[in-house]
Amino acid sequence: DVKVTQSSRYLVKRTGEKVFLECVQDMDHENMFWYRQDPGLGLRLIYFSYDVKMKEKGDIPEGYSVSREKKERFSLILESASTNQTSMYLCASSYNRNNYNSPLHFGNGTRLTVT
Amino acid sequence: RKEVEQDPGPFNVPEGATVAFNCTYSNSASQSFFWYRQDCRKEPKLLMSVYSSGNEDGRFTAQLNRASQYISLLIRDSKLSDSATYLCVVIPNAGNNRKLIWGLGTSLAVNP
Repeated sequence: DVKVTQSSRYLVKRTGEKVFLECVQDMDHENMFWYRQDPGLGLRLIYFSYDVKMKEKGDIPEGYSVSREKKERFSLILESASTNQTSMYLCASSYNRNNYNSPLHFGNGTRLTVT
Repeated sequence: RKEVEQDPGPFNVPEGATVAFNCTYSNSASQSFFWYRQDCRKEPKLLMSVYSSGNEDGRFTAQLNRASQYISLLIRDSKLSDSATYLCVVIPNAGNNRKLIWGLGTSLAVNP
């Protein structure tokens, strides 16, 4: 079974803090994704990566950056946390960038509260 | 028109009932389709892929209607444990796995 592990289940941070969310997958997947999920807005893609050191902006990249130094690890960084970044953050991975039948496997999410 | 649309529900059904949800998509060139299930405050989990010829997995049947641009999920003999939100996902272009389009989900409550 694919395992996608997110470092924290719940996180509380203060406005202006730098926040790191870590995600690790153990199935040698090429693609990794960061989403946020908010009531009424569904899943929105922040950033994705299809290879080490490669990244592409999703639909809502503002206020975020990412890092993929190793294939199995994809980090999401909030440079200066704001209250509107309070959300559920979901990391996902999928097998191969050219395999369009490859579904996403999610980590169990990080619920971030910025106060 | 939204790229992917789902009736948010909630669908309230008794145990044992058959229930069906649809998900419409706007891009006629869309290539791949999936149903995910999400329990309250949990991550989405893949329920099943949707194949052109339709496919079945136990009590669940998924179908694709390209002419009318929708996919459907049928659940037979509903169980209490089927209560969840069901998300449809569409991949609009071949070779572009990262451009998934997510529906907002349909909420199902199965009642005793």
